[in-house]
Amino acid sequence: EAGVTQFPSHSVIEKGQTVTLRCDPISGHDNLYWYRRVMGKEIKFLLHFVKESKQDESGMPNNRFLAERTGGTYSTLKVQPAELEDSGVYFCASSRGWNTEAFFGQGTRLTVV
Amino acid sequence: AQSVTQLGSHVSVSEGALVLLRCNYSSSVPPYLFWYVQYPNQGLQLLLKYTSAATLVKGINGFEAEFKKSETSFHLTKPSAHMSDAAEYFCAVSQMYSGGGADGLTFGKGTHLIIQP
Repeated sequence: EAGVTQFPSHSVIEKGQTVTLRCDPISGHDNLYWYRRVMGKEIKFLLHFVKESKQDESGMPNNRFLAERTGGTYSTLKVQPAELEDSGVYFCASSRGWNTEAFFGQGTRLTVV
Repeated sequence: AQSVTQLGSHVSVSEGALVLLRCNYSSSVPPYLFWYVQYPNQGLQLLLKYTSAATLVKGINGFEAEFKKSETSFHLTKPSAHMSDAAEYFCAVSQMYSGGGADGLTFGKGTHLIIQP
């Protein structure tokens, strides 16, 4: 069984550009989470999908961030326009149920220059 | 609101020595508590979790943690460190919704475990 897959593994973009991160959860996992770790700080929760619905998006930093989960399968996280402070590692995780183990992807390292 | 404090951004122990990584949490409701490990260039891997069952939780790779409500602690231990344990360790907490479901994880800042030969 494939694990959680994130694309790309690294992305370097200029300030003001748009970037889209993708997460493919484990097949059959209804719950999908996005987290972010800014360098030197803790991993912060961004949002939680249950199937295609946003269960909790309280951690999204601002309206430059847009997350979608088409058909309850893969998810994308778009940053538009990117700012320097958006740099960090973006993790995706998925779980079958809300009280079952969440499996993490390897993360996407985003650098905004 | 919930929070997690991990004492020590770096902990160094000798191979074969006891590993103790400290974690204290705050939560307004009974928490779920987790320890994750991240090896270089890999994603986070669950070591163990506490979900209101036994207070002493055993995880993978010989790690265990004890939930102490009176101390609001969930320290991670391993009797004998191995070189392969060198990694970054994260303590995390989540809360269960009254109607079922749980919110996202709140992480501590992480602790780098360094194993000296």
